[in-house]
Amino acid sequence: GQNIDQPTEMTATEGAIVQINCTYQTSGFNGLFWYQQHAGEAPTFLSYNVLDGLEEKGRFSSFLSRSKGYSYLLLKELQMKDSASYLCAAMDSNYQLIWGAGTKLIIKP
Amino acid sequence: GAVVSQHPSRVICKSGTSVKIECRSLDFQATTMFWYRQFPKQSLMLMATSNEGSKATYEQGVEKDKFLINHASLTLSTLTVTSAHPEDSSFYICSAREPRTGTEAFFGQGTRLTVV
Repeated sequence: GQNIDQPTEMTATEGAIVQINCTYQTSGFNGLFWYQQHAGEAPTFLSYNVLDGLEEKGRFSSFLSRSKGYSYLLLKELQMKDSASYLCAAMDSNYQLIWGAGTKLIIKP
Repeated sequence: GAVVSQHPSRVICKSGTSVKIECRSLDFQATTMFWYRQFPKQSLMLMATSNEGSKATYEQGVEKDKFLINHASLTLSTLTVTSAHPEDSSFYICSAREPRTGTEAFFGQGTRLTVV
């Protein structure tokens, strides 16, 4: 079956760095997405990886290893506004997104 | 990035009535749109894939006669929750895949439905 695993909750300190991991098993693979979702709002797109390696975009970076079925989202210089849920989603061979349950990130001053 | 607009953002309705939610792609043509439901503290659950000019494809366990989907144009898909019940109260979100890139899914703002 298809499955996405990511931690339920993480806590980090303002100004620090946090890494949110995601492992996936899908029927075929057409890329890995990361989304940010604040409470009561729709998800917003953060990153897309389809090739192995690290993609950097400002304070956020995303890494993919296709052979390991593994990705992580790295957030640097954490700000209080980064408190949100972070959703990992893998696209399968039918171009359908398989969603993880999300990681709730709590930022403390 | 591409813009998807969803309306209304919040709706309260009485049990037994129907509610229509609209999802529009504002600056691109979306042949395929997706409808999700999200209960509190849970992940997005795909309800159906909406294809312009044809019938929607529903996920297992989603009642097609209760959740009517119409994708009459390349920029508009609608979800109608018929004979709504309190258990249908949820956050409904649409998304569209921008055809040029074919990879990113853009989300509407979501609709908070409360059935009383």
